[in-house]
Amino acid sequence: DAGVIQSPRHEVTEMGQEVTLRCKPISGHDYLFWYRQTMMRGLELLIYFNNNVPIDDSGMPEDRFSAKMPNASFSTLKIQPSEPRDSAVYFCASSLTPDRGYGYTFGSGTRLTVV
Amino acid sequence: AQSVTQLGSHVSVSEGALVLLRCNYSSSVPPYLFWYVQYPNQGLQLLLKYTSAATLVKGINGFEAEFKKSETSFHLTKPSAHMSDAAEYFCAVSQTSYGKLTFGQGTILTVHP
Repeated sequence: DAGVIQSPRHEVTEMGQEVTLRCKPISGHDYLFWYRQTMMRGLELLIYFNNNVPIDDSGMPEDRFSAKMPNASFSTLKIQPSEPRDSAVYFCASSLTPDRGYGYTFGSGTRLTVV
Repeated sequence: AQSVTQLGSHVSVSEGALVLLRCNYSSSVPPYLFWYVQYPNQGLQLLLKYTSAATLVKGINGFEAEFKKSETSFHLTKPSAHMSDAAEYFCAVSQTSYGKLTFGQGTILTVHP
């Protein structure tokens, strides 16, 4: 398996523009997580899905952020409109239940810069 | 609610010296505990996890950690540091082995020749 695949790896955009980050989880994994990493706040959970259904979005900063999981193999995190304070590395992770060995895997991240 | 505190945002050791990275947790339920490593401009890689099977957990690259319930600690150790161990290390807690993780602030490990 190729692991959790995120795209793009880097994104530079202007303030006010819409940004879409993409994630392909490991096949068969039924949990998908979006985390954000910044110097100030460290690693924080934004939202997670179970079987494509959002379970907890309490970490989503504000209404400018939205996430979808239309099927088991694809998820998006959208920011509209983007602001400079959204600059961060965004990680996607997926995991497997029941626990048949440890399947919690992170993608390589998308480094977002909003100018 | 769960939380993790990593004591020391930066740790510096000499090559060959003992590595000790400290992690204390708070959890209202029996925790699952994890250590991840992050190399510059890369994602997070699992070093080891505690899932209640054994209190001393061995991971990759010679790292190990001991779960001490009485001290609510899960410190990461390695007997002899290598230059390639230089990275940022994160302790994390979860209520399950597959659910959402709550991370500590991270500890940057520097290894000197």
